[in-house]
Amino acid sequence: KAGVTQTPRYLIKTRGQQVTLSCSPISGHRSVSWYQQTPGQGLQFLFEYFSETQRNKGNFPGRFSGRQFSNSRSEMNVSTLELGDSALYLCASSPLGTGGPNTEAFFGQGTRLTVV
Amino acid sequence: GENVEQHPSTLSVQEGDSAVIKCTYSDSASNYFPWYKQELGKGPQLIIDIRSNVGEKKDQRIAVTLNKTAKHFSLHITETQPEDSAVYFCAVTEYSGGYQKVTFGTGTKLQVIP
Repeated sequence: KAGVTQTPRYLIKTRGQQVTLSCSPISGHRSVSWYQQTPGQGLQFLFEYFSETQRNKGNFPGRFSGRQFSNSRSEMNVSTLELGDSALYLCASSPLGTGGPNTEAFFGQGTRLTVV
Repeated sequence: GENVEQHPSTLSVQEGDSAVIKCTYSDSASNYFPWYKQELGKGPQLIIDIRSNVGEKKDQRIAVTLNKTAKHFSLHITETQPEDSAVYFCAVTEYSGGYQKVTFGTGTKLQVIP
């Protein structure tokens, strides 16, 4: 079974630009969560999607948004990039909703975003 | 919201020694506690988990203990090997309203010295 796939792996953007990151979950997984990982802040929860609906959201500004498609693939978008947005963005999929509560999250390798 | 503290932030041990990483949490409703290992250039990967109705779980050289009363849980790695070197994250999960809320600790960088 293929794992969680995130594209692209690396990205360099200029301040003020916008960026879209993509995540393909494990086949059959309907829940997709996004995290921002920085050296100082660890793993910070951005949002979670399930069956194309955002179910949960972390404490990030409105510049961070996401969506999920009918095939469970998800994208996250960051508009008006700031230097502080430089981070590793991780996507995790889970069989939540099919496997019951308290199920494992499977992470992708992440997209390394650098804002210059 | 949930607050998770993880200690230590860095840990160096000699190969063959044991390593212990501790996490505390604040929300007594939390009921699932996974531990993740993140190697360089990779995403976190689950190594062991424990549910609130269990006090201890072991898988070969790795064990996790949970004290619900004190709201803390620990990861124990025995007979450490160089390939155990990585960043370890604890996580605290609360299942309510039909979905999970996951909060991660800040991570522990473990270095195993050959």
